[in-house]
Amino acid sequence: GIQVEQSPPDLILQEGANSTLRCNFSDSVNNLQWFHQNPWGQLINLFYIPSGTKQNGRLSATTVATERYSLLYISSSQTTDSGVYFCAVVLNSGYALNFGKGTSLLVTP
Amino acid sequence: DGGITQSPKYLFRKEGQNVTLSCEQNLNHDAMYWYRQDPGQGLRLIYYSQIVNDFQKGDIAEGYSVSREKKESFPLTVTSAQKNPTAFYLCASSLTNYGYTFGSGTRLTVV
Repeated sequence: GIQVEQSPPDLILQEGANSTLRCNFSDSVNNLQWFHQNPWGQLINLFYIPSGTKQNGRLSATTVATERYSLLYISSSQTTDSGVYFCAVVLNSGYALNFGKGTSLLVTP
Repeated sequence: DGGITQSPKYLFRKEGQNVTLSCEQNLNHDAMYWYRQDPGQGLRLIYYSQIVNDFQKGDIAEGYSVSREKKESFPLTVTSAQKNPTAFYLCASSLTNYGYTFGSGTRLTVV
């Protein structure tokens, strides 16, 4: 099956710092999404980004489909950004989301 | 408001017992999914359904069963054959292959 690798696995930042999370995938995909999982387990959809660049406030994402990676940028981080960030993809031949293991982010005051 | 409702939020199962987790959506999505999450891990696909009365096994279907009798509902039964059922279970729905929306999850514990 497809491999979805996220890095780094863990990240600790001080409030106000910037960060970049990376997602590599091993096959052609027609859907890529970034999610934030809050401490209560709820998955929040951040971006639907199979290619190109999108921005939403302090967050932005870029996917280079031909090179099979995506990046999630968090600027001016806040303590509420803490949680686990997941990248998930759908194969061109598939239907369901395949998840990476996530990046666990802790933002300290 | 449209969304996905999972119940219960917490569930305790005795050894040898079958339990059923509920998932209902009012988004008019055709596809529904069940995922399992273990601590420190990503989500793994158990079963998915693209249409009523049809469903396919995911990567870890052993010990689980599902039904899809209505478009809105996709219940998951954790059978006694599932030897390590303690986990966080998430249900999702989608349009063809976008617009994925997740429920708030059920935490299942074996006692």
